[in-house]
Amino acid sequence: DAGITQSPRHKVTETGTPVTLRCHQTENHRYMYWYRQDPGHGLRLIHYSYGVKDTDKGEVSDGYSVSRSKTEDFLLTLESATSSQTSVYFCAIRDRENRNTEAFFGQGTRLTVV
Amino acid sequence: AQSVTQLGSHVSVSEGALVLLRCNYSSSVPPYLFWYVQYPNQGLQLLLKYTSAATLVKGINGFEAEFKKSETSFHLTKPSAHMSDAAEYFCAVRSSKAAGNKLTFGGGTRVLVKP
Repeated sequence: DAGITQSPRHKVTETGTPVTLRCHQTENHRYMYWYRQDPGHGLRLIHYSYGVKDTDKGEVSDGYSVSRSKTEDFLLTLESATSSQTSVYFCAIRDRENRNTEAFFGQGTRLTVV
Repeated sequence: AQSVTQLGSHVSVSEGALVLLRCNYSSSVPPYLFWYVQYPNQGLQLLLKYTSAATLVKGINGFEAEFKKSETSFHLTKPSAHMSDAAEYFCAVRSSKAAGNKLTFGGGTRVLVKP
């Protein structure tokens, strides 16, 4: 398995509170991604990073922010959690050196906003 | 913008029967295409990928997919389903480097295998 660790694995939080999810990799890969998975929608990209301090928005970025201060860590923050952000969140990484490489996924974080 | 369409959100097959999962994509550049599998409460695992080397791609667990440019399709097949194939399957296309190398996923197809 690729060295990707997501924390926490499960979290229940109240509406309006800030939440931070962490993705940690040991592969030294350049690209990191945050997706959310919802039934019928597959996985949708929230934010991604192509290097330290280099991030960009995905298709569902509203209400989320990210930070990447080190190669190995990519943080996803829900600034003020809403019930619509109840979802399973996946982090993925990809090596920049080989154009043919696939993305590797973490085990996911199940977030429930009540 | 690229997109992926998977026909059928649920597929039911009998053990030993053919598995066919359909995927059509749109992409403005020659695509990198992927099939991932997700078992319950787990992350996504790569089944196979198309990277322009060959149109018929073989993956793990007996799966294969054929890239057809004229049909913009990348359907996934397995000749004989096994109970362990019960999972959700996702087709994905990756954008160019200029567009951030982003993966765009289809909505997924959940496979049920009947004994």
